[in-house]
Order: sequence, then C-alpha cells, then structure tokens
Amino acid sequence: GQQLNQSPQSMFIQEGEDVSMNCTSSSIFNTWLWYKQEPGEGPVLLIALYKAGELTSNGRLTAQFGITRKDSFLNISASIPSDVGIYFCAGVFSGTYKYIFGTGTRLKVLA
Amino acid sequence: ETGVTQTPRHLVMGMTNKKSLKCEQHLGHNAMYWYKQSAKKPLELMFVYSLEERVENNSVPSRFSPECPNSSHLFLHLHTLQPEDSALYLCASSQQPSGGGETQYFGPGTRLLVL
Repeated sequence: GQQLNQSPQSMFIQEGEDVSMNCTSSSIFNTWLWYKQEPGEGPVLLIALYKAGELTSNGRLTAQFGITRKDSFLNISASIPSDVGIYFCAGVFSGTYKYIFGTGTRLKVLA
Repeated sequence: ETGVTQTPRHLVMGMTNKKSLKCEQHLGHNAMYWYKQSAKKPLELMFVYSLEERVENNSVPSRFSPECPNSSHLFLHLHTLQPEDSALYLCASSQQPSGGGETQYFGPGTRLLVL
C-alpha cells in the first residue's frame, strides 16, 4: 500500500528557532496537505498545495509541493510555544477519496 | 472552529455495551469520513460516504457500523468492542473528489476507551 515517510519523528527546539520537516513518498500525489494536531483535538488544516513546485505561506508557515510530486516540506519560522503539537502531512490522489497520512512530527518548543 | 463537530468528546464503554458516535458538518460538503487514530500509527481510514452512499470500507470489523442519513450527519455505531479498539475516532468531511483541489476538514474527535 501507499506510504508516506515523514521526518523527523520528533523535534525539541528553542523558542525563536526555525523548524523544517518533510514528507516523501514512492507515489505521485496531486495534492499535499499539512495539518497540526494539538492534544485532545482533531487535525487542523494549515496549508494546501495543488501544483508541483508551488510554494505557499500561512503566516510563519511555508510549505512547498516538490517538483517530482513525491515530496513536500513544511517550514516554521521563529517558533513560539504555541507551535507545540503534532504536524501531519497528507498526500491525495486527485479524483479519489484516498488521503494518505504521514506518521507525524511531534514538535516541542522550549521557552 | 473547523465546521465539523463530534459528540461525545470522550466515551468509556464496556465490551458488552452499545454506543454511537455522532458527527455533523456545517461546511456544505458531500463526503464524510471516519478515521481511527492510535498512538504512533498513521491515521487509518475506516469508512467513506459520498452523497450518503458508502464508497469505501477498509476491512473494518463488523462491530463498527456506520450510518449516513444525510450529507451533514454521520454516525458510527459501536457494539461488543475490544480493548484494542480504544483510540481517537476522527470524523472528516470534504467535497466530492473532482480531479483537483481536494481538502479535508476534521472534527475534534471522540476519545474512546474500551474496558
């Protein structure tokens, strides 16, 4: 079955540092989605990417859809304590109900 | 606020109980999903309904029974569950796939504990 490799699995960083995480796959996707999940809550959509090479920002977050369509990365600049949570990527096969999720990157920010 | 609500938020049940999880979406979407989220595992898709018809059923045990009475509501009926079914159950919604622009929105989840 399709799998997404998401790395790193976890990160401990100091407040103010930049963060980078990525997802890679052996499959080609038409859409990449990035979510954040906080304890006791469902995933919240952060950024959606629909074209290879697309670079999209949402405040301090920037995500890119890889040229090969097999990968995507998410950067967080100048991290703050409320960035703590688990970040998930999801690849989507266009025209289907198949959303393939990564295993998540657990981010902890030390003040 | 994502526009997808789930009740209850927490549920503790015995293995002989029958309970139901409810999901409601206020986004005007026509596809709804049930996922299971267990610790350190990727989200597992359980069921998908599109226009109130089931379109995906990923080998889920029959002790889980979905129901979609209309495009805004989705239920998951639970009976004779096992302790390993304890997990966070997430509901999501989206528009029907159209060849691009897919986006999926999640509810807050129901934390289920089976004793």
